[in-house]
Order: sequence, then structure tokens, then C-alpha cells
Amino acid sequence: DAKTTQPTSMDCAEGRAANLPCNHSTISGNEYVYWYRQIHSQGPQYIIHGLKNNETNEMASLIITEDRKSSTLILPHATLRDTAVYYCIVRVGVYGGATNKLIFGTGTLLAVQP
Amino acid sequence: ETGVTQSPTHLIKTRGQQVTLRCSSQSGHNTVSWYQQALGQGPQFIFQYYREEENGRGNFPPRFSGLQFPNYSSELNVNALELDDSALYLCASSPRWADEQYFGPGTRLTVT
Repeated sequence: DAKTTQPTSMDCAEGRAANLPCNHSTISGNEYVYWYRQIHSQGPQYIIHGLKNNETNEMASLIITEDRKSSTLILPHATLRDTAVYYCIVRVGVYGGATNKLIFGTGTLLAVQP
Repeated sequence: ETGVTQSPTHLIKTRGQQVTLRCSSQSGHNTVSWYQQALGQGPQFIFQYYREEENGRGNFPPRFSGLQFPNYSSELNVNALELDDSALYLCASSPRWADEQYFGPGTRLTVT
């Protein structure tokens, strides 16, 4: 699985958009980008994933660059409850046949400020 | 709330002892994965079970073992506990071919 690089921490004002970057320069053609977050003392929570097209759901948007070497997770209107560690994970999609394990790095601690 | 439950919530054991942690997967999920999360680190994959068979293993010694039952619930067993085994142990369930994994709240194990 490809390695990802994320900033250690970021701040965001409540109500503003939070843009969390992730570099994955060694990503392979069959690898997807997944985002999970972990609120303090809870298990990780799935947010969104994508292959090469931009994706949006009720929680967030995922923007993947055309060369797929980096991506940005966007929380459009951050709230205090979005304070968490955000993990960017790259791995083969489940239909690739591999065990759908997740390889977590240390993630980005997003602190939403009032 | 994901529907994945783990027990116990907290546990304190002594070095050299054995421990069993339990996980009930979300209804309809036939795949269970276990992760270890040390303080300040991201979760590390231990192993995964699918239909009662181990289906992939991370870089953990054989004293970490598991079981999955016909109802898809699972156990994680750790023998000969070491101080470094102190961590949050997370269980995640999913349908076999699903992209998302649903995590439980974890069991905090402290080894003294």
C-alpha cells in the first residue's frame, strides 16, 4: 500500500471550510484514497473515498488531483464536533482481491476553534 | 453508533498473563478486523477474519490469535502479555466486499 504524508496538525475556525491535504505520490493505478477520522476516545469513522474523480457525500468532499499524487478532504462548514484526527489512507479497492485492511499513519489533528 | 460492540471497555492485566477481548459485529457483516492503537499512534492492523477463517495478518507475533464464530462475532486472544501490549484494541466489521469498515469503541488494555 502506498505511503501517505499529512500535516501533523491544523486549526480551523468554526463555520469555515476545513481543507485537509494529503500527499500520496507513489499511488498505483488501482489504489483508492480513503479518509477516516477518529474523535478522541472513539473508534475511527469512515468519511469518504475515491479513485480519481472528485467525490461528495453528506459529510465531506474529496478532491483528487489529476495526477492522483495528492488529495484534499474538505469539510464545508466545520463545527466543534469535527475536532478529530483525520487519516488519509491509500489502498487497493476491495474488488482487487486483497484483504481490505487499513494502514493508518499518524494523521492530522484538526482543531476547530470557536 | 456503528452497531459494533466490544467488551470489556477497560482491562488491567499483569505481564505474562493472557487476555481475551470480544467483539460483536454489526448485523449482516461477515468480516471482522482487529487493530491495535498505541498512545499517540494510528491503529495498526493485527488480522482479519472472514467466515471463521483468518484472511490476512499484520506484523504481529503468533501470541496474538483470534477466532470468529458462526454468528460473525470475534475474539482476540493475547498470550504472555508484555508491557508494550498496553494499547486500545479496536474491532471493525464490514460486509466482505464493502469499502467502509465500521469500528467499535475499543477496549483499553493496560499491562503492568
